[in-house]
Amino acid sequence: EDQVTQSPEALRLQEGESSSLNCSYTVSGLRGLFWYRQDPGKGPEFLFTLYSAGEEKEKERLKATLTKKESFLHITAPKPEDSATYLCAGMLDSNYQLIWGAGTKLIIKP
Amino acid sequence: ETGVTQTPRHLVMGMTNKKSLKCEQHLGHNAMYWYKQSAKKPLELMFVYNFKEQTENNSVPSRFSPECPNSSHLFLHLHTLQPEDSALYLCASSPYGQFATNEKLFFGSGTQLSVL
Repeated sequence: EDQVTQSPEALRLQEGESSSLNCSYTVSGLRGLFWYRQDPGKGPEFLFTLYSAGEEKEKERLKATLTKKESFLHITAPKPEDSATYLCAGMLDSNYQLIWGAGTKLIIKP
Repeated sequence: ETGVTQTPRHLVMGMTNKKSLKCEQHLGHNAMYWYKQSAKKPLELMFVYNFKEQTENNSVPSRFSPECPNSSHLFLHLHTLQPEDSALYLCASSPYGQFATNEKLFFGSGTQLSVL
């Protein structure tokens, strides 16, 4: 069964404390791995797409990486405005459908 | 602002009511989607309209009925819902169609639905 699992469910960090969010996937064929950010009361907002193992993408304090089994979202020296729920999704090679994880709620305390 | 607008933002309805959710995008996108988001659960794809043709219906109960009258508008008609249908309903659109590899989704802010 195609599945995407995110961990931890919630993560509390002090401002400036770097960490990583994990997205592990077991899918029959991965076309791409997507990361989205969701603020309270809003819909998810696209961050990155990764297509092959070893690929990395960066945006401000965020860097996403991909291996053959998982993706990491590294956050360096986070600020309170980085607080949000981060969602990952794997796009299936067979039908382009997205399999979503349940998200990681990130809280950055000042 | 993503360019995808959903109304209403909040909706409370009884189990015997009929209501509709509306989604509008003027981005010129070719695919539109309805998703259900429940607390601490993954997003559930409900319906997809690709170039105005419905291509997905992921075993959604018939009490949910989608309508796509044109490429800019999407509706979700609701009737005789159950309390377990309470959730955030998100509309999304994508530029090149459902079957494009680099197809990122643009989401609206959702309708928070409560069924009493």
